[in-house]
Formats: sequence, C-alpha cells, structure tokens
Amino acid sequence: QVQLVESGGGVVQPGRSLRLSCGASGFTFSTYGMHWVRQAPGKGLEWVAVISSDGSTKHYRDSVEGRFTISRDNSKNTLYVQMSSLRTEDTAVYYCAREAYRWAFDIWGQGTMVTVSS
Amino acid sequence: DIQMTQSPSSLSASVGDRVTITCRASQSIATDLNWYQQKPGTAPKLLIYAASSLQSGIPSRFAGSGSGTDFTLTISSLQPEDCATYYCQQSYTLPPLTFGGGTKVEIK
Repeated sequence: QVQLVESGGGVVQPGRSLRLSCGASGFTFSTYGMHWVRQAPGKGLEWVAVISSDGSTKHYRDSVEGRFTISRDNSKNTLYVQMSSLRTEDTAVYYCAREAYRWAFDIWGQGTMVTVSS
Repeated sequence: DIQMTQSPSSLSASVGDRVTITCRASQSIATDLNWYQQKPGTAPKLLIYAASSLQSGIPSRFAGSGSGTDFTLTISSLQPEDCATYYCQQSYTLPPLTFGGGTKVEIK
C-alpha cells in the first residue's frame, strides 16, 4: 500500500546535526513533490520545506533556511532532510508528506521525534 | 506570509450535531485551502482540498466551502470518531505554506 516511513529522529545537543530519512513505497516516488512538516509538542503544524519531483527546486521556511537541506534519491525512493546548527526550537515531530493537488498533502508518514536539548 | 486564523479554537458538541469551523486568510487565496483532521499521536489526514473537494475515502458528512479569505469546514452530523483537531492550510503560495492554529472538537 501507499506508505511513507520516517527514521533518524533522536535526542541531539544544540548546535549539532541530524539527518532524517523518509522511505516511500506503493507509488511512483519520482513523480511527486515531497515536503517536510513539523509539529512541536502540544503545538500546531508548521511547514518546513519542499522539493520538486526531480529535485531541481527547493524551498524552505525562513527559520530553517541555511541550516536545513532537503534532498531526495529517486533511485532509492527516499526523501531526506539534513538539519544542522540545531536549536531548541527545532524540537518537534517531523513528518514527511506527499504533495497532491496544488500543495495539499495526501499521504503522511507516522512522524519521527527530534529533541534538541543539552 | 499568509496568516491563517481558525475559530473557534475548541468546541464541544453532541453526537448528531452540525459542527462548523471557520478559517480566515490574511489575504485572498482563491480556493487554495485544504482541511486536515489529526487525532492524538497520529499524523494528519487530508479531508478536503481546493476548498470544497472531498478527498477519496472521506465520509460525505464532511464538507468544505468558501473562497477568497473566508472558508468553512462543516461536519453535518458529528460522530464519536470525529473527535480530533482540525487544521486549515493555505496552498496559494510558498514559501511558506501556512496552517491555521487548529480547532479541537470534543463530544459532549
């Protein structure tokens, strides 16, 4: 079935780096734009970044621009986000999501928790 | 950035009630508005896209309407399984895509 599975979350100190992965199955990954969306504990949803289907176009929210890098490997059906210079305010559940009609997200992963703490 | 404001932030209603949630955008977004349902500990689920199109597999008691800056999500007959937090999201422009603050729906 159509599925996204995130991995790579954990506890990391401020200023350190972490890479999250999102494995896709059940659909033709290379034809979909993909996003990262996060949710801080007890808070609402916050869009983080997008990458086009071929990886040529990327956009970020201001607060992660220059610190996070979204990428994909279509041969491995995998989406990534490399997070560096992590801050306590980056603490959240990170979801990957498939882009459907005009940036609506029709398929979500189960989420992976990132905790930035000393 | 386009700001999305939802109201109310929470509501309590009885099974069978008609429930309406509103979402207002800080500028016109045409019909580029999506609605999600999120239950505790789970990922959001797409209910409505393009303001009024029902996502496949979603019960017909969910309906969306609106255009420009004002939008509504209506649950025509609230069911126990509809207890969740509902979010609107504008898909008119990025970066960034933006969500409303959420509306928590509880059963009386």
